[in-house]
Amino acid sequence: KAGVTQTPRYLIKTRGQQVTLSCSPISGHRSVSWYQQTPGQGLQFLFEYFSETQRNKGNFPGRFSGRQFSNSRSEMNVSTLELGDSALYLCASSSMGPSNTEAFFGQGTRLTVV
Amino acid sequence: ILNVEQSPQSLHVQEGDSTNFTCSFPSSNFYALHWYRWETAKSPEALFVMTLNGDEKKKGRISATLNTKEGYSYLYIKGSQPEDSATYLCARMNTGFQKLVFGTGTRLLVSP
Repeated sequence: KAGVTQTPRYLIKTRGQQVTLSCSPISGHRSVSWYQQTPGQGLQFLFEYFSETQRNKGNFPGRFSGRQFSNSRSEMNVSTLELGDSALYLCASSSMGPSNTEAFFGQGTRLTVV
Repeated sequence: ILNVEQSPQSLHVQEGDSTNFTCSFPSSNFYALHWYRWETAKSPEALFVMTLNGDEKKKGRISATLNTKEGYSYLYIKGSQPEDSATYLCARMNTGFQKLVFGTGTRLLVSP
């Protein structure tokens, strides 16, 4: 059974550009969550999608958006990139949601904004 | 406690030592507590998910306990091995919210 796949693994962008990150969950999982990790910070929750609907959103500016497709694959978009957006972005999938069942994480996309 | 807090921030032990870490969290509206192990250059890997006060879970040399009334969980590693070196994260979930709130982790280094 394939794990959670995130693409690309590494990305370098310039301030002001936009970026799209992709996450393919484990087959059969309908919930995908996105997290940001910056140095010295814990994993910060961005948003969670279930069956193409955003169920919860973290405290991030509107430049951060996402969506989920009918095959449960999810994309995250960041517009007008800032230097502070440089981080490791992780996605996690679970069958029904990150409740009393474990979440399975991808290896992340390392975004560097220069 | 407003956020999820983990202590210590880092720990360096010798092979064979037993060790434990603490995760403290707000006890109100508690739904579940997750523990993850994150090795460098790999994905975080789930260790335990606990929901009930007094829960104790064990996986090999690693075990965890949960106290939801006072808002803390302990993770124990018996007889640490170099391969246990990783960052250990705990995360709390509230009732009604589909998100995990993570602590900043405890970084464990086990020297042979």
